[in-house]
Amino acid sequence: NAGVTQTPKFRILKIGQSMTLQCTQDMNHNYMYWYRQDPGMGLKLIYYSVGAGITDKGEVPNGYNVSRSTTEDFPLRLELAAPSQTSVYFCASSQRQGSSGNTIYFGEGSWLTVV
Amino acid sequence: AQRVTQPEKLLSVFKGAPVELKCNYSYSGSPELFWYVQYSRQRLQLLLRHISRESIKGFTADLNKGETSFHLKKPFAQEEDSAMYYCALRGQGAQKLVFGQGTRLTINP
Repeated sequence: NAGVTQTPKFRILKIGQSMTLQCTQDMNHNYMYWYRQDPGMGLKLIYYSVGAGITDKGEVPNGYNVSRSTTEDFPLRLELAAPSQTSVYFCASSQRQGSSGNTIYFGEGSWLTVV
Repeated sequence: AQRVTQPEKLLSVFKGAPVELKCNYSYSGSPELFWYVQYSRQRLQLLLRHISRESIKGFTADLNKGETSFHLKKPFAQEEDSAMYYCALRGQGAQKLVFGQGTRLTINP
């Protein structure tokens, strides 16, 4: 299994541009998440999904959109990039509650800079 | 409200010395607590969780409900322990994790 795969790894955007961070997992996990990691601020949950077709806002959803058309994919879209969105973005996934212990698996991260 | 606090942003100790990374939480029910580690330029990975009561890479953490703490400890630090450590909480019936601000641990030779 590749686990959780994110692309791109690095990206520089101009203010006002839009882009999509791709995330896919091959573990057949129901739950998927997008976090952003800012220095000294820890990880903040942007959006999450409990299954295909279902998404919900996390702590910091403003400026982002998500969709979950398949179990495997959970893309994160930035419509009008702002400097405040400069961050490292982590996609993650986990199984439904059960014997797996609900471990959350993370992708390698996407470094985004908005200038 | 769920909240996780790691009071130390930076922690530096010498190799062979004991290390303790502090984590306090606020949650009204019975939480699940985790420690995640992020080595340089790598993804976050689970280090340990309180329900397993395990020791991973020499680290242990005990959930103290009275003090609402889940401190991470290791008796003898090694240079390869240098990393970013995050304490995280999952509420009852929830799936998403709430993270603390993280502590950057540096082990000096």
